[in-house]
Amino acid sequence: GIQVEQSPPDLILQEGANSTLRCNFSDSVNNLQWFHQNPWGQLINLFYIPSGTKQNGRLSATTVATERYSLLYISSSQTTDSGVYFCAVERRTGRRALTFGSGTRLQVQP
Amino acid sequence: DVKVTQSSRYLVKRTGEKVFLECVQDMDHENMFWYRQDPGLGLRLIYFSYDVKMKEKGDIPEGYSVSREKKERFSLILESASTNQTSMYLCASSRRWDSWSRSPLHFGNGTRLTVT
Repeated sequence: GIQVEQSPPDLILQEGANSTLRCNFSDSVNNLQWFHQNPWGQLINLFYIPSGTKQNGRLSATTVATERYSLLYISSSQTTDSGVYFCAVERRTGRRALTFGSGTRLQVQP
Repeated sequence: DVKVTQSSRYLVKRTGEKVFLECVQDMDHENMFWYRQDPGLGLRLIYFSYDVKMKEKGDIPEGYSVSREKKERFSLILESASTNQTSMYLCASSRRWDSWSRSPLHFGNGTRLTVT
């Protein structure tokens, strides 16, 4: 199956700092989504971004499909950004379901 | 807003029991998925379904089965619970994924199952 690697595994920031999370994947994809899991365990979809760039408030994401990676940018981080960020992909040829990376755990300190 | 409801937030069962985890979505979504989440392993796909009465195995289907008799409901069944099935179980749904488009995945709040 497809391999999804996220880095860094853990990240500690001061409030107001910026950060970049990376997702590398091992095969061509036609579906890539970023999720945030809050400290209470709820998973929220942030972006559907198989290619190109999208922005939503302080968050933006870029996927370079030809080079098989995606980046999630968090600007002016807030304590509410804490949690785990997951990248998930669907291989272009194969089953229609998302395979998840192991996540980046972000802690934003006040 | 899409609502994916899992019947229990916490569940404690004994080894060998048959366990049913229920998931209901209210947006007429075709796709439904069951994942389990364990520390350090991310989310792993157990089973998924594209439509009523359809099911497909994911990466770790052993020890599990599913039922989708109605479009809005997708049930995960542990035929004989074992301690290694202690985990967080997450249900998700989405609109149908066509050849040219995908839609976001929406998750329930999860069921934390402990098998003793």
